[in-house]
Amino acid sequence: AQRVTQPEKLLSVFKGAPVELKCNYSYSGSPELFWYVQYSRQRLQLLLRHISRESIKGFTADLNKGETSFHLKKPFAQEEDSAMYYCALSGTSYGKLTFGQGTILTVHP
Amino acid sequence: GAGVSQSPSNKVTEKGKDVELRCDPISGHTALYWYRQSLGQGLEFLIYFQGNSAPDKSGLPSDRFSAERTGGSVSTLTIQRTQQEDSAVYLCASTPSGATYEQYFGPGTRLTVT
Repeated sequence: AQRVTQPEKLLSVFKGAPVELKCNYSYSGSPELFWYVQYSRQRLQLLLRHISRESIKGFTADLNKGETSFHLKKPFAQEEDSAMYYCALSGTSYGKLTFGQGTILTVHP
Repeated sequence: GAGVSQSPSNKVTEKGKDVELRCDPISGHTALYWYRQSLGQGLEFLIYFQGNSAPDKSGLPSDRFSAERTGGSVSTLTIQRTQQEDSAVYLCASTPSGATYEQYFGPGTRLTVT
C-alpha cells in the first residue's frame, strides 16, 4: 500500500522567513513524488516533481529515500505563496496519484 | 486552449437523490481521473480511464458510485442514493499521452447533500 503523510494541516510564517512543508511517504518500490499547489480560487496545479530537480517559484524539494521524505522548502517566503499544498506519490506506471491531506500555508506580511 | 471543464460547478441535492457530475478533459488527453476532495481527507483517488482499457475503479468508495467515459472523451460520475458523507468537491483531471505524471485539473464540482 502507498501512503502520503503531511503532518501539518496549517503552517503560518512571516514574509521573508524560511518555510518547510513536510511530506513523508510509504511505498515499497521506487516512487515518483510531486508537489501540487492550489491558490485561492484557482485550480490544483503541479508545482514540481522530484525527478526534474527544478526550482519553481523559489521552491525546491529533495527526495530522501532513507527518511522516506520529500519536504518542500523555500528560503524566503512571499505573501503570494499562501495556498494549499499537496504532496503526492505515484507508484504505478500510469500516474495514479496518492495525495496527502494537504497543508494550508499562510504567509503574513 | 481550454483546460479541463466540469459541470455543474455547484450541486445541492437531497439525501437519497441521484446526481451526475460531468467532466470534459483537454482535447487529445488520453487519460482521465476522478478525485474527491474533502476536509480532513485530502484528495482521494476514485477512478481512472485510459483509452479503451478497462477503468481502474479501485478508489470508488461504494457501489453507489459509478463512472463512464464515452468516446474516450467526456466522463460522467454518477452517485446514486446520495448520503451526507458524499458532500465534497469532486475533481477531474486529464493527462496527455506520454506525460502521465502531470495531471491537469478541472475547477471541481462542489456537491452538498442535505
